[in-house]
Amino acid sequence: EPEVTQTPSHQVTQMGQEVILRCVPISNHLYFYWYRQILGQKVEFLVSFYNNEISEKSEIFDDQFSVERPDGSNFTLKIRSTKLEDSAMYFCASSDFDRQTNTEAFFGQGTRLTVV
Amino acid sequence: AQTVTQSQPEMSVQEAETVTLSCTYDTSESDYYLFWYKQPPSRQMILVIRQEAYKQQNATENRFSVNFQKAAKSFSLKISDSQLGDAAMYFCAYRVYGNKLVFGAGTILRVKS
Repeated sequence: EPEVTQTPSHQVTQMGQEVILRCVPISNHLYFYWYRQILGQKVEFLVSFYNNEISEKSEIFDDQFSVERPDGSNFTLKIRSTKLEDSAMYFCASSDFDRQTNTEAFFGQGTRLTVV
Repeated sequence: AQTVTQSQPEMSVQEAETVTLSCTYDTSESDYYLFWYKQPPSRQMILVIRQEAYKQQNATENRFSVNFQKAAKSFSLKISDSQLGDAAMYFCAYRVYGNKLVFGAGTILRVKS
């Protein structure tokens, strides 16, 4: 069964460092998303990406964040200068275009980011 | 703005018994989708069940079923014959076609043996 793959599963980084979280969405999907979940809290939307551009972003997704689909298969989230409060689980998700089947987003297993 | 409310931070159920988790949502859209996701300690997001708003029939998946009340904007999850493996955080979520998921705050479900 096709799945969304995220790497790494756990990333520890020093405050102020840049970090790149990687995702490989399901191959025929066209909508891509990043969500964040701070420990013990709800899952929050960060950004959606369609047709090689951001289609929507939340207030959390400020200038420190960027997304890219560099090679047609990977979908990355970059945090330029990490803060302690960026420590969270980051989920990538994807969904396809067909209205009949585009009812759900498929989630990766998440990347746990720890900023020290 | 679309919001999802889960009013039960934590629920407990005895093994083999039935439990219902509540969810309400607010939207002005007429065509949308509702989901229940399970998040075990591994923190992976696992889809449990989904409901299309245009369908009047309540969705069922084995021991999981929903009570979808569109007029009341209510979408509860019933788990029958609860098992120890059902213990997890459960999130209710809402989505308009092609758009982001909006999640509730979650309900921790504990299953007692």
